[in-house]
Amino acid sequence: QSVLTQPPSVSGAPGQRVTISCTGSSSNIGAGYDVHWYQHLPGTAPKLLIYGNSNRPSGVPDRFAGSKSGTSASLAITGLQAEDEADYYCQSYDSSLSGWVFGGGTKLTVL
Amino acid sequence: QVQLQESGPGLVKPSETLSLTCTVSGGSISSYYWSWIRQPPGKGLEWITYISYTGSIKSNPSLKSRLSISIYTSQNQFSLRLTSVTAADTAVYYCAAQYCGGDCYFNYWGQGTLVTVSS
Repeated sequence: QSVLTQPPSVSGAPGQRVTISCTGSSSNIGAGYDVHWYQHLPGTAPKLLIYGNSNRPSGVPDRFAGSKSGTSASLAITGLQAEDEADYYCQSYDSSLSGWVFGGGTKLTVL
Repeated sequence: QVQLQESGPGLVKPSETLSLTCTVSGGSISSYYWSWIRQPPGKGLEWITYISYTGSIKSNPSLKSRLSISIYTSQNQFSLRLTSVTAADTAVYYCAAQYCGGDCYFNYWGQGTLVTVSS
């Protein structure tokens, strides 16, 4: 069981907006540690999507937006495209475990 | 653009040692921390350990007693050794460049290599 909790799956039609939640606790997200998001197509290298809660690396479309509040964070994807179909993971630091932790991953299906 | 490539045996026998190497290209090895992350089949990602170019190391406490990580700066490589493996160590192992400027995140990843522990 992962330290950060994500829904196993979400889906949406092309053009729609979906959100993926990431729920932590007082030893990670709630302690003020940043949340980062990754996109992963199986068989390929995972890709940094959002860093520092809401910042996009160069080349990541502004359709992807991250936010954080309290012990949770969210990734919103607007204007859904077929190429967005992938697994998405959140990541933070946990002071109780003295290490970096991930969510269990969310599979996004574009209908 | 930093690129990473994992290499090593895909099959390891129980109780033996898993050894992997990550080759880095396209970037300075002094710019990041160099990490290993794994994903068991059907499960989530687990951070294993990191090493800096100066040799500073931080490891997952649950694995620390079985781990060693080394860096070879002149060859732009770093390696992982995990001793006394069991079936629970079967996973896709990723190497990654970890940027730490306050909080830390994984800027670049390799494609991953599947290591199966089986006799």
